[in-house]
Amino acid sequence: GDSVTQMEGPVTLSEEAFLTINCTYTATGYPSLFWYVQYPGEGLQLLLKATKADDKGSNKGFEATYRKETTSFHLEKGSVQVSDSAVYFCALRGNTPLVFGKGTRLSVIA
Amino acid sequence: DAGVIQSPRHEVTEMGQEVTLRCKLISGHNSLFWYRQTMMRGLELLIYFNNNVPIDDSGMPEDRFSAKMPNASFSTLKIQPSEPRDSAVYFCASSFDGQMTTEAFFGQGTRLTVV
Repeated sequence: GDSVTQMEGPVTLSEEAFLTINCTYTATGYPSLFWYVQYPGEGLQLLLKATKADDKGSNKGFEATYRKETTSFHLEKGSVQVSDSAVYFCALRGNTPLVFGKGTRLSVIA
Repeated sequence: DAGVIQSPRHEVTEMGQEVTLRCKLISGHNSLFWYRQTMMRGLELLIYFNNNVPIDDSGMPEDRFSAKMPNASFSTLKIQPSEPRDSAVYFCASSFDGQMTTEAFFGQGTRLTVV
């Protein structure tokens, strides 16, 4: 079945550091890919999405490119802030409901 | 739109009691998902409805769990009887699925503690 694998956390970075969170997927067909973010005590919020190969999703300085050849959707940000501290989930949706990775906790220290 | 609305936000109950969690979908959405989140198992899909019909309930842990959509905008998740291992955060999410599937919008969750 469809599955998502993302890098284990936690990830701790200093403010203004570069962020990469790796995500790879297994799916039949051509799924849509998503990154969700969960701040403490809150539900999941959509951060960005890409619906076809080579699409780049972007929002709030975060970017991810749908790479079909490597079945990847890595999340990047050039300069993280303390307010980016949260748990990040990679997800896919094909012919099934959303399938999530296990989440990566990011802590950004000033 | 107010988004997906879940109630209650927090629930503490004693083992053996019945618990009902509620969810109001975003207006116009036709798919509804219930997820459970724990530290050990992460986010697990419990059940998925499309146009009020349960499509996939393979994630429902056992017969103690049941979910309904009495109408197009509302759903309940019931646990009877509840057990301490049911303690988790339960999320409801909705989406509009037409020719293409879309992203799901999540509620704030219900934190359930069974003592």
